[in-house]
Amino acid sequence: DIQMTQSPSTLSASVGDRVTITCRASQSVSSWLAWYQQKPGKAPKLLIYKASTLHTGVPSRFSGSGSGTEFTLTITSLQPDDFATYYCQPYNTFSWTFGQGTKVEIK
Amino acid sequence: QVQLVQSGAEVKRPGASVKVSCKASGYTFTGNYMHWVRQAPGQGLEWVGRISPSSGATNFAKKFQGRVTMTTDTAITTVYMELSSLTSDDTAVYFCAREETRRFFDYWGQGTLVTVSS
Repeated sequence: DIQMTQSPSTLSASVGDRVTITCRASQSVSSWLAWYQQKPGKAPKLLIYKASTLHTGVPSRFSGSGSGTEFTLTITSLQPDDFATYYCQPYNTFSWTFGQGTKVEIK
Repeated sequence: QVQLVQSGAEVKRPGASVKVSCKASGYTFTGNYMHWVRQAPGQGLEWVGRISPSSGATNFAKKFQGRVTMTTDTAITTVYMELSSLTSDDTAVYFCAREETRRFFDYWGQGTLVTVSS
């Protein structure tokens, strides 16, 4: 199975900051990678698919990049609603393993 | 609009089984695979498996093979996940999630808390 490693595990930032989260795959997933946002007590929400395509309704301050084994999720100008945990997930095989998550906290 | 509504919280004894349901609406039920993902308290997301409502075909994560069953009832557009031989490690919130045709998850249920305790 493909292993996904996210870094950092926790990130402290302030409103207005630019934030970058990295996701590394143990083998190439091409561009078949999604990012999800989860808030406490809620189901995850899809943010980005195919590494860089924003899901409908997702603010343009979110962006994704990368291919192969290394990917990034960037939030430009962090907003109060963005404090949450973010997960990456490849979907190129019959195993939808998630990264361990990155919690974005208020500094 | 697409909605996935799950059954309510469950409390089970170790060794028992639990069956969680996920009722889908707002789209053609047989057109998309349905997945189950769980989240233990304070932990990350763990993929359990998926089922095709049209064919009944399933794929499971290796750690759950032999212990998980997924079924569908197309008449009431509902998917079920049954997990047997429960231990305290199975205490988690279980989510259903729709697989978009391009294979990522675009809609999620609200989650069902399963607590395993003696």
